[in-house]
Amino acid sequence: ELKVEQNPLFLSMQEGKNYTIYCNYSTTSDRLYWYRQDPGKSLESLFVLLSNGAVKQEGRLMASLDTKARLSTLHITAAVHDLSATYFCAVAAMDSSYKLIFGSGTRLLVRP
Amino acid sequence: KAGVTQTPRYLIKTRGQQVTLSCSPISGHRSVSWYQQTPGQGLQFLFEYFSETQRNKGNFPGRFSGRQFSNSRSEMNVSTLELGDSALYLCASSGYNTGELFFGEGSRLTVL
Repeated sequence: ELKVEQNPLFLSMQEGKNYTIYCNYSTTSDRLYWYRQDPGKSLESLFVLLSNGAVKQEGRLMASLDTKARLSTLHITAAVHDLSATYFCAVAAMDSSYKLIFGSGTRLLVRP
Repeated sequence: KAGVTQTPRYLIKTRGQQVTLSCSPISGHRSVSWYQQTPGQGLQFLFEYFSETQRNKGNFPGRFSGRQFSNSRSEMNVSTLELGDSALYLCASSGYNTGELFFGEGSRLTVL
């Protein structure tokens, strides 16, 4: 059974600092997703990672995937308050690309 | 391009009642999947439909059901509501090879 673990679950950081969120998963998968969720809102797609070594960047966020280690990272560079949200990683189950198993989420708070 | 539309956005029901939630996918998308989000269990996969056929089902009791129509619109139904069914129900549609899922704003169900 595919399991997805994220850490940390909560992250409070100062503006301007860097930090990394980790996402480990238990069985083979060929795609990994990162989503952002603001309070009371839906999920916003950030990145889709499809192959080993994939790296994608958008603004202050960069995601990478190591399929051999079954590990993805979401790196935050020079955090700003607008990045405060909950970030989820999700892994596609092998029996269906449309069945995502989500991590517990990382609640990020960026302090001035 | 319109996004994924879910109705109703908010609803309150009492135990024992049933509820039907509706989802209109992005135009051209044929896959619709449903997720339940609760503070305790996080985001959990309910089921996925493609061309009116259920392709995958999560670990939920038979009280949870769904269907998809020929225009790709989908509905999910929960019968004999329980307090624990209170949740945000998210619908997602996909139409690309990446399996990227685009989520609607959700239907927030409160069971009293």
